[in-house]
Amino acid sequence: SAVISQKPSRDICQRGTSLTIQCQVDSQVTMMFWYRQQPGQSLTLIATANQGSEATYESGFVIDKFPISRPNLTFSTLTVSNMSPEDSSIYLCSVEDPWGTGSEQYFGPGTRLTVT
Amino acid sequence: DAKTTQPPSMDCAEGRAANLPCNHSTISGNEYVYWYRQIHSQGPQYIIHGLKNNETNEMASLIITEDRKSSTLILPHATLRDTAVYYCIVRPSQGGSEKLVFGKGTKLTVNP
Repeated sequence: SAVISQKPSRDICQRGTSLTIQCQVDSQVTMMFWYRQQPGQSLTLIATANQGSEATYESGFVIDKFPISRPNLTFSTLTVSNMSPEDSSIYLCSVEDPWGTGSEQYFGPGTRLTVT
Repeated sequence: DAKTTQPPSMDCAEGRAANLPCNHSTISGNEYVYWYRQIHSQGPQYIIHGLKNNETNEMASLIITEDRKSSTLILPHATLRDTAVYYCIVRPSQGGSEKLVFGKGTKLTVNP
């Protein structure tokens, strides 16, 4: 299975500031996904990030608020910009099966963000 | 929006089988049924998937009805570590590059 790490694991930030979350995978993958999980809720996809192209955002999410970088096949960052308390969530990255033999996606442990 | 309906919560005794139902009455012919679970404070974990035949792996069994409008995930001998939220998801591809649309899931509590 793919091993995914995220940094930071948690953070407390003031409103109006920005936080960049890093996602590192131990294998090369074409597609990476960023999800948000608000308190007590299910996961919602923010965007899909392919290496070498701009991220594709889901309805309700915009690049100015959640800029994403994908500089290589093992790394991606998600920035939460101009934060407000409503951005308090767990942010998770996931990747496709890097070997293409299975059908599952692998998820990182998440970054727990609290905005005060 | 999620295309599945699951009970919000279920309880199961440790050592007994846990049977988690899922309705997906609008599933299309090319859509697979996937199950993931999320243990508290962790990222979701893949369990199993299937198209129309029943499937079994080391974690669970998946029973899909003949009309494919519903399915059941079976954990044959539930343990306390199986306490988690279980998500049933339909998606149009077997490949891992398709996005996952999560519904509310079923919170399974395994009791000692």
